[in-house]
Amino acid sequence: DTGVSQDPRHKITKRGQNVTFRCDPISEHNRLYWYRQTLGQGPEFLTYFQNEAQLEKSRLLSDRFSAERPKGSFSTLEIQRTEQGDSAMYLCASKAETPYNSPLHFGNGTRLTVT
Amino acid sequence: GIQVEQSPPDLILQEGANSTLRCNFSDSVNNLQWFHQNPWGQLINLFYIPSGTKQNGRLSATTVATERYSLLYISSSQTTDSGVYFCAVEIRYSGAGSYQLTFGKGTKLSVIP
Repeated sequence: DTGVSQDPRHKITKRGQNVTFRCDPISEHNRLYWYRQTLGQGPEFLTYFQNEAQLEKSRLLSDRFSAERPKGSFSTLEIQRTEQGDSAMYLCASKAETPYNSPLHFGNGTRLTVT
Repeated sequence: GIQVEQSPPDLILQEGANSTLRCNFSDSVNNLQWFHQNPWGQLINLFYIPSGTKQNGRLSATTVATERYSLLYISSSQTTDSGVYFCAVEIRYSGAGSYQLTFGKGTKLSVIP
């Protein structure tokens, strides 16, 4: 168990470009979450997968954002036509479905800077 | 949605001092976790504590679910304790089946030698 892995750690991109981030959850965890954290704030929920099904999306997830988890293992988060306001830390987390009362484990995040 | 308030927002301690961080939440919760975010941004699980008391070394936590608050105690603080401490709560929305955590804004702790 190597924990939740995210790639890349840092991404600098120009406004208008597309970016894609990858998350590899803990192997036996079927629930996967994406969060976004801006400076001085706590992480904010973006979306959630149970296996390959995307079950919930926050209103923060505009139509420029898309997330996938095609085989119920790793997940990708894509941001199209990036804007400066997208600059943030993007955090992935996973948890086991059982036992019900299991904690959420976070990866180290991908820090996005849009110039 | 559920509100999570943490206090104090900022705290400066001399090394060796003790401290108590508080988390108030506005609704009944299924889950409550305390995290430490280190200066490199890594979120580290400290406690999963929807109710009761737990201890792990110099850290302990107590959640009184009926009164909707949780406390994190740090004893004999060290410079490595510096960072931001987040409380996060989870409620299960009826019919939704999702288990998202809602975070407070955190307490920024600075421990000085």
